[in-house]
Amino acid sequence: GENVEQHPSTLSVQEGDSAVIKCTYSDSASNYFPWYKQELGKGPQLIIDIRSNVGEKKDQRIAVTLNKTAKHFSLHITETQPEDSAVYFCAASRDSNYQLIWGAGTKLIIKP
Amino acid sequence: EAQVTQNPRYLITVTGKKLTVTCSQNMNHEYMSWYRQDPGLGLRQIYYSMNVEVTDKGDVPEGYKVSRKEKRNFPLILESPSPNQTSLYFCASSLSLRNTDTQYFGPGTRLTVL
Repeated sequence: GENVEQHPSTLSVQEGDSAVIKCTYSDSASNYFPWYKQELGKGPQLIIDIRSNVGEKKDQRIAVTLNKTAKHFSLHITETQPEDSAVYFCAASRDSNYQLIWGAGTKLIIKP
Repeated sequence: EAQVTQNPRYLITVTGKKLTVTCSQNMNHEYMSWYRQDPGLGLRQIYYSMNVEVTDKGDVPEGYKVSRKEKRNFPLILESPSPNQTSLYFCASSLSLRNTDTQYFGPGTRLTVL
C-alpha cells in the first residue's frame, strides 16, 4: 500500500528565513497531495494542496512543489513568522481511494 | 460557524472503564472519521463512516467501536480502555468521499488511560 515519509521531524529556523519540508510517496497512482498545519491545542487545518497535473502552486508565502518522476513533494514557507510555528503534515491519496495517507509530521520552530 | 466539535477535550480514566468521545459536525458532511495522533507516528485512522449507518475500519481499529445513527454525530466508543490507547484523538469530516475534499478536524481529545 501507499507509504508517505516526511522529513525532517523537527525543523528550527530563524524568523525571516525560509523553511522547506519534504515528503516522498510510494504509490505512483497518487494524484492529490495536501498539506495540513496543526497549531498547538488545535486540530490540523488544510493550508495548501496540489494535484498531479501541476508542478507548483503558490499562496502568498507558502508554496508546494511536486516531482512526479521522483515521487516527492515539498512545502516551502518564505519569510517565516512566529505564527508559522506549528506541526505540518503532508498526505497523499489517489482518486480510487478516498483515504489520505499521512506523513508523520514536522514540528516547525521559528526562532525570534 | 461551521465546525467539528468533540467532547470531552481532556479525559483521564482507568483501565477497563467504558468511555465515549462524542463528535458532531454542523456542515451536513457525509464523510466522518476518527484518528489518533501519537508522537512520531502522525495521524492514523481508526474508523470512518461514508454516511448514516455505514462505517468501516481504518488502519488501527482494534479496541474501538463507532456508530453513525445521525449524519451529524459520530461517537467513538472504547468498551474496555487500556493504557496503549492513551493518545490524542481527532474527529474529522468532509463533504463527500472524494479524496480531494478538505477534511475539517475537531479540536482533539487528549485521553489518558491509567
